[in-house]
Amino acid sequence: IAGITQAPTSQILAAGRRMTLRCTQDMRHNAMYWYRQDLGLGLRLIHYSNTAGTTGKGEVPDGYSVSRANTDDFPLTLASAVPSQTSVYFCASSDRGEESDTQYFGPGTRLTVL
Amino acid sequence: GQNIDQPTEMTATEGAIVQINCTYQTSGFNGLFWYQQHAGEAPTFLSYNVLDGLEEKGRFSSFLSRSKGYSYLLLKELQMKDSASYLCAVRDSNYQLIWGAGTKLIIKP
Repeated sequence: IAGITQAPTSQILAAGRRMTLRCTQDMRHNAMYWYRQDLGLGLRLIHYSNTAGTTGKGEVPDGYSVSRANTDDFPLTLASAVPSQTSVYFCASSDRGEESDTQYFGPGTRLTVL
Repeated sequence: GQNIDQPTEMTATEGAIVQINCTYQTSGFNGLFWYQQHAGEAPTFLSYNVLDGLEEKGRFSSFLSRSKGYSYLLLKELQMKDSASYLCAVRDSNYQLIWGAGTKLIIKP
């Protein structure tokens, strides 16, 4: 079934630990995105990639890094987690060649940093 | 700054019609999206407007007025499964989506 998968589904992490959230899509979309969603706030863009080999910073990039070695995968790494990074993280992808460039979302990762 | 405003919460009755408003102030405009998000799930795409007017898709319609910085999502013949949050997002001049905080819609029997 075509779509986006994320792993893990949820994670509890001690502050200071390193963590990588995985995201894989099989729709051959050229663009991918990482958002965080916190109660009472809109989705906030962390990092994005318009095509394999390129990445860019979003609204809230501090404390996070990404890589885009190929079309399908877009991992998000927290180098040293802090409690303020407790959130739900969504990966999304889109086809930049499509007029609407609609973003489609993965199921999310619920991360708790203690 | 950039801003997307939507009501925090709305309540409606099963079988009725509800209109969820969204006003925006963004640096540029390259389209407006509505997404539905059930509790604990991912946002799912509902509609896209880039030109003024009404787009109808089954029970859901979305309207856009670019001159007023205004959109609404109209849901007809409400069903219990329509209980969800509805997210408004605008694509700005940098081609990034700016998101509203969402409107939680509660449907009562």
